[in-house]
Amino acid sequence: KNQVEQSPQSLIILEGKNCTLQCNYTVSPFSNLRWYKQDTGRGPVSLTIMTFSENTKSNGRYTATLDADTKQSSLHITASQLSDSASYICVVSEADSWGKLQFGAGTQVVVTP
Amino acid sequence: DAGVTQSPTHLIKTRGQHVTLRCSPISGHKSVSWYQQVLGQGPQFIFQYYEKEERGRGNFPDRFSARQFPNYSSELNVNALLLGDSALYLCASSLATGLVGYEQFFGPGTRLTVL
Repeated sequence: KNQVEQSPQSLIILEGKNCTLQCNYTVSPFSNLRWYKQDTGRGPVSLTIMTFSENTKSNGRYTATLDADTKQSSLHITASQLSDSASYICVVSEADSWGKLQFGAGTQVVVTP
Repeated sequence: DAGVTQSPTHLIKTRGQHVTLRCSPISGHKSVSWYQQVLGQGPQFIFQYYEKEERGRGNFPDRFSARQFPNYSSELNVNALLLGDSALYLCASSLATGLVGYEQFFGPGTRLTVL
């Protein structure tokens, strides 16, 4: 059973609009949560990383939130651009001896003109 | 500075064959991890190496093996290929490993197709 669940599976938004992606996790013990952007056929690129004590972090038009109590995170994309079309993957790191990563399946975002 | 590099970029093999994938980490990074990403899914962890020692292993059969060299580059070997091994194989490097959770930087991946 996947310990990191993302929703929606995919979404289509108009250029310039905002959208929010969701991530729920059951990974325990928790170390940190990351959001990655992955273009088709390419390796993931890190957007944000948050530890237990952080509840929000921004990277340009990307803002991630974390509620460690409810084990939920969100990624908000503001004023979307065509280049935002990609898969967005939520990754949770276990607080074990070597920081094992648990990946979600990703949300496929398509930004249309 | 060069990022994580992987070779080859694409590979086509037939069932039963063997394959070796290669990864060079970012300069100064001592930890390398390997992931398998099947189309439409998130990456699945295969191995992590740090200072030439295996530090973690995912739920993959013994057909999968890896090693890390003194220069911190790494190889992933897969024997007796199956159709289900077709995937994008990602390599990620980080400065180190441990509870702190060092950021991992991913390479572009090797696309393996098994016919």
